[in-house]
Amino acid sequence: NAGVTQTPKFRVLKTGQSMTLLCAQDMNHEYMYWYRQDPGMGLRLIHYSVGEGTTAKGEVPDGYNVSRLKKQNFLLGLESAAPSQTSVYFCASSYSIRGYEQYFGPGTRLTVT
Amino acid sequence: ILNVEQSPQSLHVQEGDSTNFTCSFPSSNFYALHWYRWETAKSPEALFVMTLNGDEKKKGRISATLNTKEGYSYLYIKGSQPEDSATYLCASKGLLAKAAGNKLTFGGGTRVLVKP
Repeated sequence: NAGVTQTPKFRVLKTGQSMTLLCAQDMNHEYMYWYRQDPGMGLRLIHYSVGEGTTAKGEVPDGYNVSRLKKQNFLLGLESAAPSQTSVYFCASSYSIRGYEQYFGPGTRLTVT
Repeated sequence: ILNVEQSPQSLHVQEGDSTNFTCSFPSSNFYALHWYRWETAKSPEALFVMTLNGDEKKKGRISATLNTKEGYSYLYIKGSQPEDSATYLCASKGLLAKAAGNKLTFGGGTRVLVKP
């Protein structure tokens, strides 16, 4: 049982390049989330999903797109990276009903130069 | 401006001393308050989920209280040890967020450093 995994762990992009971050969970959770963490800002929600095939915007969605084609995977895409997207990205998942706590992945450190 | 606020941002504690810190959150339409422990280079891990006014939760030397009427929660660490060094995050969930993906709003965290 790996929990929540994220790929890659680190990435450096040049301004304008694109990339996709992959989040996978093996706990059969319905809900999945993407956050970014910046110094002094806490965790801010980018996008979330309440089930396969559904996504919704969070607090800071601009510049990001997501997809959830399979229940266990949640992809975060940056179409044209900007230096303002330099951050640590965390994926999380949770059950829809019981427990409520979110389980976090190890994070992806992204630098955009 | 975060509507979930934690204070202080950081604190240093001598090994063996006890400490506490605060999380403030909107009291209207409150549903739940979460505490997470986040060690450097690791993922945040859930400590407590609290929903009822007056709730008290305990895990080892760490405990938390909840006041939903005034919108605050305290986290206490009794007899701090170096392994308690971490950032402690709180997050609130309102009734509307519960109905829309169980979304959490996080505070900025309190970074605790326990000195041997």
